Amino acid sequence: NAGVTQTPKFQVLKTGQSMTLQCAQDMNHEYMSWYRQDPGMGLRLIHYSVGAGITDQGEVPNGYNVSRSTTEDFPLRLLSAAPSQTSVYFCASSYSNRGQQPQHFGDGTRLSIL
Amino acid sequence: GENVEQHPSTLSVQEGDSAVIKCTYSDSASNYFPWYKQELGKGPQLIIDIRSNVGEKKDQRIAVTLNKTAKHFSLHITETQPEDSAVYFCAASSSGGGADGLTFGKGTHLIIQP
Repeated sequence: NAGVTQTPKFQVLKTGQSMTLQCAQDMNHEYMSWYRQDPGMGLRLIHYSVGAGITDQGEVPNGYNVSRSTTEDFPLRLLSAAPSQTSVYFCASSYSNRGQQPQHFGDGTRLSIL
Repeated sequence: GENVEQHPSTLSVQEGDSAVIKCTYSDSASNYFPWYKQELGKGPQLIIDIRSNVGEKKDQRIAVTLNKTAKHFSLHITETQPEDSAVYFCAASSSGGGADGLTFGKGTHLIIQP
């Protein structure tokens, strides 16, 4: 199993551009989520999904959209990039959000907005 | 909502010594407490977790203790080695680990001095 795969690993955008961060998992996990990591801030939840067709907002959802058309994929879209969205983005998955299930993280996408 | 405080932010120990990282949480309903290790350029990896019905859990050189009354939990690493150098995150969850219930501390940078 590849686990959680994120692409691209690095990206530089100009303010106002849009892009999609890709996330795929091959563990048949129901639950997927997106976090951003900023220096001294830990990990903050952006959006999450408890299954195909179901998404919900986390702590910092503004400026981001998600969709979950399949169990495997959970892309994160930046509609109009802003410098405040410069961050490292992590996708995670777990078997379920019911019960105490550990989350598996990808290796991140490092995004810079100029 | 839940609030997780983690201390210290940086910890430097001599190789072979023990390291202790402490976290406190605010929500008495929290019942799942994972610890993650993040190496440079990588995503967080689960190293150990503890449920609220257990006071201590060990896995080789790593142990976690939980004091529900005081609402704090700690990570203990014994006989530290250079490969233990990383950033460690604690987290707490009241829903069992799904992202809608997982709150992270801000991380501890552990440095192992040779």
